[in-house]
Amino acid sequence: SAVISQKPSRDICQRGTSLTIQCQVDSQVTMMFWYRQQPGQSLTLIATANQGSEATYESGFVIDKFPISRPNLTFSTLTVSNMSPEDSSIYLCSASEGNTIYFGEGSWLTVV
Amino acid sequence: QKEVEQDPGPLSVPEGAIVSLNCTYSNSAFQYFMWYRQYSRKGPELLMYTYSSGNKEDGRFTAQVDKSSKYISLFIRDSQPSDSATYLCAMSAGGFKTIFGAGTRLFVKA
Repeated sequence: SAVISQKPSRDICQRGTSLTIQCQVDSQVTMMFWYRQQPGQSLTLIATANQGSEATYESGFVIDKFPISRPNLTFSTLTVSNMSPEDSSIYLCSASEGNTIYFGEGSWLTVV
Repeated sequence: QKEVEQDPGPLSVPEGAIVSLNCTYSNSAFQYFMWYRQYSRKGPELLMYTYSSGNKEDGRFTAQVDKSSKYISLFIRDSQPSDSATYLCAMSAGGFKTIFGAGTRLFVKA
């Protein structure tokens, strides 16, 4: 199974600032995904990231707020822009292998 | 109606009990079924993966899929306090769209 590393693992951010989360996979994968999990809630897909093309965003998420890069088959970044307290959440990077999805440890962001 | 329904709990059981966690779904196209365990403030960890109907056993964990009833279950035998976590069911029809349940919080009391 793919091993996925994320950083930062947690951060406290000031309102109005932006933060970039990095995700590294230990093997080449075609599809990477970014999820958000708000406290006590299930997972919400933000976007799907393919290498060499623009990310595909789910309803309610836009590129200006959550720009994503996917420069190669093992790495992706998610930026949370112009943060507000409503963006306080766990952000999870994941990758698919066959028909299963593996997750990183998550990045816990608190916006103050 | 949500595509996947999962009781959020919490479910509290004594150590050693058999735990039954369940999800129902509405999309008959789902063929791939997963269970994830998530500890507090950690990423979900894949526990079980099942294709189509039937049972799959791995140690103390058994996953069951009943496609005719659109119902999946995860059984935990001899539950331990270390099993205390949130358990998420997930399913897909193939491809890359995976739907997650809300997660059931489980507490196993020593």
